[in-house]
Amino acid sequence: GAVVSQHPSRVICKSGTSVKIECRSLDFQATTMFWYRQFPKQSLMLMATSNEGSKATYEQGVEKDKFLINHASLTLSTLTVTSAHPEDSSFYICSARVSGPNTGELFFGEGSRLTVL
Amino acid sequence: GENVEQHPSTLSVQEGDSAVIKCTYSDSASNYFPWYKQELGKGPQLIIDIRSNVGEKKDQRIAVTLNKTAKHFSLHITETQPEDSAVYFCAANNAGGTSYGKLTFGQGTILTVHP
Repeated sequence: GAVVSQHPSRVICKSGTSVKIECRSLDFQATTMFWYRQFPKQSLMLMATSNEGSKATYEQGVEKDKFLINHASLTLSTLTVTSAHPEDSSFYICSARVSGPNTGELFFGEGSRLTVL
Repeated sequence: GENVEQHPSTLSVQEGDSAVIKCTYSDSASNYFPWYKQELGKGPQLIIDIRSNVGEKKDQRIAVTLNKTAKHFSLHITETQPEDSAVYFCAANNAGGTSYGKLTFGQGTILTVHP
């Protein structure tokens, strides 16, 4: 299947700092990527849809100024958690949609575990 | 919007037995139903998917069935092995609609296969 890479896989930061997570589609172009958040033993919660060359679309309840998303190229989307606090500690996962008419297939990155001290 | 319910939340089987996980969905417009396997500390991995124009799909030990009328779909794993132990998520999406790519996930099933 298609390969989606996330970096870093783990990050620990102090409260109040900002953290950037990268999501790359390695062997295909992705006009749309998705960012999910997953708490321990819970399902994936969609945070936002990242569209190449335009503003991200955020799900209800997700603070766009808190979670900045940039999709500057067809292979890279970044999620920046600004002024991180301990409650932002979570597993962040990106996915990318394989292009094609109505394929719907999504491939996920390996996830990035954020721990805010 | 779409709502996906998944059962059971935990499933424990002996090696060699079969495992079945069931999901129901609410939006009749949904037409794409993938299943993901997630191992500890990793991202979900697509293991099989089915579209609404098909009733059943099989890939070696894994099969998925879809009942559009009842709006439910199931994952079947035969001859389970310890390495099948993981969390499994079902999902649903209207692959041709404006929510294209926005999957709604079930709650997940923790599958444990005992040697």
